[in-house]
Amino acid sequence: ETGVTQTPRHLVMGMTNKKSLKCEQHLGHNAMYWYKQSAKKPLELMFVYSLEERVENNSVPSRFSPECPNSSHLFLHLHTLQPEDSALYLCASSQVTSVSGELFFGEGSRLTVL
Amino acid sequence: KNQVEQSPQSLIILEGKNCTLQCNYTVSPFSNLRWYKQDTGRGPVSLTIMTFSENTKSNGRYTATLDADTKQSSLHITASQLSDSASYICVVSRQTGANNLFFGTGTRLTVIP
Repeated sequence: ETGVTQTPRHLVMGMTNKKSLKCEQHLGHNAMYWYKQSAKKPLELMFVYSLEERVENNSVPSRFSPECPNSSHLFLHLHTLQPEDSALYLCASSQVTSVSGELFFGEGSRLTVL
Repeated sequence: KNQVEQSPQSLIILEGKNCTLQCNYTVSPFSNLRWYKQDTGRGPVSLTIMTFSENTKSNGRYTATLDADTKQSSLHITASQLSDSASYICVVSRQTGANNLFFGTGTRLTVIP
C-alpha cells in the first residue's frame, strides 16, 4: 500500500469510447503526475500538477485530458484513443518541498485500446 | 543529452545467488539517483535514494553504490529470493528544470528455484 490509489486497474475500450482514469493520494502531497509506461521504454511523463496547477504538459496528444480538482485527486480523461495508446498508466505523487522529491506511485491502470 | 542506461536488460539467476545491476547516466547537473523495484502489474516502489556525497547505501539485502565521477551506479542483491523477481528501474534527478527526472528502461530480474 503506497498511499496512492488508482482506478480502474484494467480498462478495455474501443477507439470511439470516452473513459476516465482516477487517482487519489492519501499522503498529503502537493504534486501529482501521470506517467505512461510502454514495454521496453522508459516511463514517459505526461502531466504534472503542482499545488493544483498544471506545470507540465509534455507534448501529449489532446485525446488525453487531465483534471486536478484538488491536491488529492487526479483524473485522466480519454477519448478517441488509438491502439498505440495501449499501455500502463501510472499516477504518482510527491512533496515538491522535499529534498529527495521521491515519487510514490499507484498500482497503475492497464489500458487496452481495441 | 540527459540519458539513463541500464544493463543488463534482463537477468535470470538461481535462488540464493547474488547479482548486480548497472546504471550509467549522463544527467547533469546531478541531484540524486534512486532505484525503484516494480513487481509485475504493480507500480514502482523506491528502494534507495543516493545523493552526490553518498557512495554506498544498503536496504536489507539490497546495496546501491554511486560513483559520481564516472556517473555510474549499481544495485547489488544478496542471497536472492523468489520475491526479488521484478523490474528494477534507475531514476536520476537533475537539479534544475521542470521535467527533472530521467528514467532508465529497467532490468527485468527473474529468480528461479
